[in-house]
Amino acid sequence: DAKTTQPPSMDCAEGRAANLPCNHSTISGNEYVYWYRQIHSQGPQYIIHGLKNNETNEMASLIITEDRKSSTLILPHATLRDTAVYYCIAHLTDSWGKLQFGAGTQVVVTP
Amino acid sequence: DAGVTQSPTHLIKTRGQQVTLRCSPKSGHDTVSWYQQALGQGPQFIFQYYEEEERQRGNFPDRFSGHQFPNYSSELNVNALLLGDSALYLCASSAQTGYSTDTQYFGPGTRLTVL
Repeated sequence: DAKTTQPPSMDCAEGRAANLPCNHSTISGNEYVYWYRQIHSQGPQYIIHGLKNNETNEMASLIITEDRKSSTLILPHATLRDTAVYYCIAHLTDSWGKLQFGAGTQVVVTP
Repeated sequence: DAGVTQSPTHLIKTRGQQVTLRCSPKSGHDTVSWYQQALGQGPQFIFQYYEEEERQRGNFPDRFSGHQFPNYSSELNVNALLLGDSALYLCASSAQTGYSTDTQYFGPGTRLTVL
């Protein structure tokens, strides 16, 4: 799986959109971009994933650049409960499922 | 629909002892993966079980072993515990679709402390 690079931390004001960047310049054509988040001492929570097209669900939106070298996770209206470590993972789904986590981005939502 | 469950939630052991952690996958899932998360780090893949066999393994010693039962639940066993085995142990379940593994969903984890 390709390596991803994320900023170590970022702050966001409650009620504003949070835009979390991720670089994956070596991603291959059949690797998906997955996002998980982990609230302190809990198990990682699946957020969203995509291959080429932008994706949206009830939690977030995922914007993938046309060259697929980077992506942005958007939390449209951040709340205090969105404070967590966010992990961006490039993952080959036919590789039997080994997820390679990096250090992630610590997001702190402030009132 | 129950998600992934793990037991126990917390465990304290001493060096040299053995420990068994348990995981029940999400309904409809047949694949279980185990991860170790040391404090301040991202989860590290230990191994994955499918059809009651270990089919992929990360860089962990043989002291770490596992088992998957016919109902898809799984156990992680760690022998001869070391202080460095203190960590949050995470179980993730997924469904196998053809040659692909679908999205992994994680349980709440078991916090193991080795004294």
